[in-house]
Amino acid sequence: KAGVTQTPRYLIKTRGQQVTLSCSPISGHRSVSWYQQTPGQGLQFLFEYFSETQRNKGNFPGRFSGRQFSNSRSEMNVSTLELGDSALYLCASSWGTTYNEQFFGPGTRLTVL
Amino acid sequence: QQQVKQSPQSLIVQKGGIPIINCAYENTAFDYFPWYQQFPGKGPALLIAIRPDVSEKKEGRFTISFNKSAKQFSLHIMDSQPGDSATYFCVGGASGSRLTFGEGTQLTVNP
Repeated sequence: KAGVTQTPRYLIKTRGQQVTLSCSPISGHRSVSWYQQTPGQGLQFLFEYFSETQRNKGNFPGRFSGRQFSNSRSEMNVSTLELGDSALYLCASSWGTTYNEQFFGPGTRLTVL
Repeated sequence: QQQVKQSPQSLIVQKGGIPIINCAYENTAFDYFPWYQQFPGKGPALLIAIRPDVSEKKEGRFTISFNKSAKQFSLHIMDSQPGDSATYFCVGGASGSRLTFGEGTQLTVNP
């Protein structure tokens, strides 16, 4: 069974640009969550999508947005990039309830120059 | 109230030692406490999880102890091995809500 895949794995952007990250969940999983990981900050929750609807949202500015498609694949977009957006962005998929195991992808390493 | 406080931030033990990672939470709605393990270059993976109706859960060399009244829980790794070197996250979760991760503990087990 294929795991969670994220593309691209590495990305370098400059301030002010925008970026789109992609996540393909495990087949059959309907929930996709996104996290930002930075040293010393742990995993900061961005948002969760379930059946194409945003179900939970973290405390990030509106520059961070996402969506989920009918095949459960998800994209995350960050507009007007800032230096502080440099981080590892992780996507996790699950069957859908809080108590289901979340399966994480390897992440996309975003560097903003 | 959503936070999960985790300590220590980093931990170094010798092979065979018993590292202990502690976590505390404030949100009384939390009723699910998983631990995730992350190796360098990989995403986190579920290690072990506990519900508040039990005070201890053991899976292999990994044990979670849970103190509901103190709102604290901890992870013990028995007979630690160099392959256990990783970052460990404690997590709190409540039905219908997103998971809240602790800040992480970087564990190094020296040979």
